[in-house]
Amino acid sequence: SQQGEEDPQALSIQEGENATMNCSYKTSINNLQWYRQNSGRGLVHLILIRSNEREKHSGRLRVTLDTSKKSSSLLITASRAADTASYFCATDAGGNNRLAFGKGNQVVVIP
Amino acid sequence: NAGVTQTPKFQVLKTGQSMTLQCAQDMNHNSMYWYRQDPGMGLRLIYYSASEGTTDKGEVPNGYNVSRLNKREFSLRLESAAPSQTSVYFCASSEVGGLKLFFGSGTQLSVL
Repeated sequence: SQQGEEDPQALSIQEGENATMNCSYKTSINNLQWYRQNSGRGLVHLILIRSNEREKHSGRLRVTLDTSKKSSSLLITASRAADTASYFCATDAGGNNRLAFGKGNQVVVIP
Repeated sequence: NAGVTQTPKFQVLKTGQSMTLQCAQDMNHNSMYWYRQDPGMGLRLIYYSASEGTTDKGEVPNGYNVSRLNKREFSLRLESAAPSQTSVYFCASSEVGGLKLFFGSGTQLSVL
């Protein structure tokens, strides 16, 4: 079964606003990663958070991980039109170093 | 530095035809992967290769074969294409298995 499931709703926000998306998973993990996919392109790795970390920052990105609730959130602050993309979480719950991806969350930033 | 290169970018096949999708990476990564992406399904792992000389089935391997030709190249073959294999295929690589994957730009395959 596929691990890593984002909240399925698409998100439409104005430029400058913050965008938050969530991901839940079912089994224990060692780490969780977030990827971005622009339309018609491959995925790009954004950030990795390990199971012993609760929060991690990278530029305008903030990721939290709650292992007790088996959930993670990705916050993009001060969004830009270029942040328009689909965002996927991925966990190592697939075992044997295989990543299991969620279905993705589409974010549209309106200029 | 090209990263992960996939060819072709687009392909149309008739049911029953065969083809090979090529993938090469120039980052000296050990692990390579083939995923398919379908609307509403996210990415599903077809096959992966943890290191040169090894390959393993992923979540949806039926109808596909792979070859890890060398450390750089990992090909995906469809022996007898079916309409259910219409999808976008992505190759990826990573230095360490399952961490920080680098993706190619994808192959859009249609099987009629």
